[in-house]
Amino acid sequence: TQLLEQSPQFLSIQEGENLTVYCNSSSVFSSLQWYRQEPGEGPVLLVTVVTGGEVKKLKRLTFQFGDARKDSSLHITAAQPGDTGLYLCAGPESGAGSYQLTFGKGTKLSVIP
Amino acid sequence: NAGVTQTPKFQVLKTGQSMTLQCAQDMNHNSMYWYRQDPGMGLRLIYYSASEGTTDKGEVPNGYNVSRLNKREFSLRLESAAPSQTSVYFCASSATGDEQFFGPGTRLTVL
Repeated sequence: TQLLEQSPQFLSIQEGENLTVYCNSSSVFSSLQWYRQEPGEGPVLLVTVVTGGEVKKLKRLTFQFGDARKDSSLHITAAQPGDTGLYLCAGPESGAGSYQLTFGKGTKLSVIP
Repeated sequence: NAGVTQTPKFQVLKTGQSMTLQCAQDMNHNSMYWYRQDPGMGLRLIYYSASEGTTDKGEVPNGYNVSRLNKREFSLRLESAAPSQTSVYFCASSATGDEQFFGPGTRLTVL
């Protein structure tokens, strides 16, 4: 089983600050997804990165896929209380016909007004 | 579109009782999944169905059974609930197997 390690586990910052969270593996992934889960809700897909070195932007969120496709980062500019939640990275399990995702354990972000 | 719906939202059971968690999706996805989420353990796959008519075990299948009733519906059954099954359960669906769409969850407590 491929593992995804996320860091930091917890992050508490003031509104307006910038932050970066990381998703790392020793395995190569064909793609990685980032999800955000708000308290009491299910995870919601934010973005999928597919190509090594790819950068995708979603308003104040910037996602990067590592050149070797073993890691990814999420950078939030000028964080807002609405960014509070659990950020999960996930990637498809290797192997032909696999329909499973490997999930990291997440980074729990709190943005304090 | 409703996306993925789950019922019930909350449930309290006594040890040994049985129950079925229901999940339905209206996105015409082939694949459906059941996860449990526990503090410090992340999302763990219980069972999945790659397509209508097939089901497979995930990481933590013991104590659970599933039924893919049709393309839309995928249910999870606890035959004899145990306190270790206290958790939040999520259903998800996917067209491709990688990008998954989750329901709002069922919060289950087993006393």
